[in-house]
Amino acid sequence: ETGVTQSPTHLIKTRGQQVTLRCSSQSGHNTVSWYQQALGQGPQFIFQYYREEENGRGNFPPRFSGLQFPNYSSELNVNALELDDSALYLCASSLGRRARGDTQYFGPGTRLTVL
Amino acid sequence: DQQVKQNSPSLSVQEGRISILNCDYTNSMFDYFLWYKKYPAEGPTFLISISSIKDKNEDGRFTVFLNKSAKHLSLHIVPSQPGDSAVYFCAASAMDGGSQGNLIFGKGTKLSVKP
Repeated sequence: ETGVTQSPTHLIKTRGQQVTLRCSSQSGHNTVSWYQQALGQGPQFIFQYYREEENGRGNFPPRFSGLQFPNYSSELNVNALELDDSALYLCASSLGRRARGDTQYFGPGTRLTVL
Repeated sequence: DQQVKQNSPSLSVQEGRISILNCDYTNSMFDYFLWYKKYPAEGPTFLISISSIKDKNEDGRFTVFLNKSAKHLSLHIVPSQPGDSAVYFCAASAMDGGSQGNLIFGKGTKLSVKP
C-alpha cells in the first residue's frame, strides 16, 4: 500500500504566473482534498474531489481549480499567482466522500513561493 | 473569523511530565474533533479523534477530552517523550449536506519536550 505523494516538493514562481501541483492518492482511495497552509497558520480547506467531480469548496477564488483523474490522482491549478499564494499546499486522500478526518491521509506537501 | 482556536503557539515540557494542549471552537455544528501531529517537511499525521457524543477518548499515552458546553477540547500526553516534539493541530468537522469530513484547523501549538 503506497502513501500519498506530492510533486514537486518545492516551486518558485513569479506573480501572475500559473502553477500546477500534483498529488497521487493512497492506493484504493477515491477522494482527495486540497489544503493551503500559510506560514504560522493551520491548513485551510480549498476543495475536495470525489470520483472526478468537485464535492465541496472552501473560501477560495475561482482561480484555484482542480482535477481528479480516473486513477484518482489529482491536480491543483492556480492561475494569476499572487504573493499571498505563497504557502505549503497539502493534499489528503480518503476512501469515500463522507470520510471523517481520521481516515484522511496527508501527503508531505508542496512548498510554493511566489516572488 | 477563526472557528477553531489554539491560543498557545508553543509549549515546553520536561520529558516524563504531562503535556496538555488546548483548543477552543465556536461552531456548535462541529460534531467530530481530531488532533494531528506534524513534523517539519512532512504532512499532518492523524493522532486521535473524538465524536461529540463522547467526552473522552484514550489511545495509549494520548487522551482527548471534550467539554461541549465550554466548546473546549484538550489533548493530554503522558508521559511526554522527546519524540513527541512537533506541531499539534486541533481540527473539527461537521456533518452537513455538502462535503463531509473536511477539516477546519487551528493554527497549531508547537510542543517541545526536553530530555
